[in-house]
Amino acid sequence: DAKTTQPNSMESNEEEPVHLPCNHSTISGTDYIHWYRQLPSQGPEYVIHGLTSNVNNRMASLAIAEDRKSSTLILHRATLRDAAVYYCILRGGSNYKLTFGKGTLLTVNP
Amino acid sequence: EAQVTQNPRYLITVTGKKLTVTCSQNMNHEYMSWYRQDPGLGLRQIYYSMNVEVTDKGDVPEGYKVSRKEKRNFPLILESPSPNQTSLYFCASSPSGLAFSSTDTQYFGPGTRLTVL
Repeated sequence: DAKTTQPNSMESNEEEPVHLPCNHSTISGTDYIHWYRQLPSQGPEYVIHGLTSNVNNRMASLAIAEDRKSSTLILHRATLRDAAVYYCILRGGSNYKLTFGKGTLLTVNP
Repeated sequence: EAQVTQNPRYLITVTGKKLTVTCSQNMNHEYMSWYRQDPGLGLRQIYYSMNVEVTDKGDVPEGYKVSRKEKRNFPLILESPSPNQTSLYFCASSPSGLAFSSTDTQYFGPGTRLTVL
């Protein structure tokens, strides 16, 4: 499986934008970039995914570099409820399994 | 409401006493999976099922059994639990099974915290 690299932790203030980076230099042409997050004491939840173009949904935006070797999850206005571990995961081919790395622990300060 | 449910949410048991953790989804999903989460090791897949009567081992299947007799249910069985199976367990489901898609997203249950003494 192609590997992703994320910072261990990041900190933000409430109502400010947050940019969570992910490096995936060995990504293959058919790999989709998925983001999940895990709130404290809960199961992971899907956030967003994309292939080449930037993507937006009600939770976040995903900005994908032109060479696809990195991507950034953008939370436009962080709330306290966004404090969680965020996982960047590549999926492609017949990869039924979600391989979770250590993710980025996001702390949101009031 | 579309959801994955797990029972029990918390369980304390003793070594060797057989137990079953149930998982049920109401989304008609084909794929179901079990993960365990341990500090410093992240989420690791135990078993998965791509459809009824189709199951396969994940990364850490030792000491666990599963069955998939109905589409909605995927119980995790510990025939003889040991302390090293103390962990937080998550069940997940996703729409596609054998016709897998890279855009498939997984839905996770709330977790079962198991302690084996």
